[in-house]
Amino acid sequence: KAGVTQTPRYLIKTRGQQVTLSCSPISGHRSVSWYQQTPGQGLQFLFEYFSETQRNKGNFPGRFSGRQFSNSRSEMNVSTLELGDSALYLCASSLHPGTSGGQETQYFGPGTRLLVL
Amino acid sequence: KQEVTQIPAALSVPEGENLVLNCSFTDSAIYNLQWFRQDPGKGLTSLLLIQSSQREQTSGRLNASLDKSSGRSTLYIAASQPGDSATYLCAVLKAAGNKLTFGGGTRVLVKP
Repeated sequence: KAGVTQTPRYLIKTRGQQVTLSCSPISGHRSVSWYQQTPGQGLQFLFEYFSETQRNKGNFPGRFSGRQFSNSRSEMNVSTLELGDSALYLCASSLHPGTSGGQETQYFGPGTRLLVL
Repeated sequence: KQEVTQIPAALSVPEGENLVLNCSFTDSAIYNLQWFRQDPGKGLTSLLLIQSSQREQTSGRLNASLDKSSGRSTLYIAASQPGDSATYLCAVLKAAGNKLTFGGGTRVLVKP
């Protein structure tokens, strides 16, 4: 079974631009979550989608948005990029939301490394 | 608000020594706790998941314990190898949603 895939793997943008990142979950997984990883803040939760609905959102400005399609693939968008948005963006998929006694393992993709100049 | 701490931030051991990595969390109302491994510039690889009702999980040379009442988990790696060099992260899943709260990680170097 193929793992979580993320495209593109690397991106260079300039301040003020906008960017769209894509995540394809493991086949059959319906939950997709996004995380931002920086050296200073570590791994921080952005948002989670399940069945095309955003169920949970982290403490990020409205410039960060996302969506999920009917095939569970997800995209996240960052508008008006700032230097501080440079980070590794990771997505994770799991079969069901965090229920069922906590049996669900989350599987992470390789990430998209975004550099904002 | 859930806070997850991993101490030490970095660890260096000679090959063959057992590794002990610590993770503490402030809110014991968790669904599960996961340990991940991250190689430089790469994504996260899930190592072990411990459900809130469990005390430990084992996979090969890896053993993870969970003590919810004290808010602690420990990852043991037996007979460390240079290939175990990586950053190890623990993360807790709280109820309602699929949001993982991560610790800052422990960077491990196993010297040949």
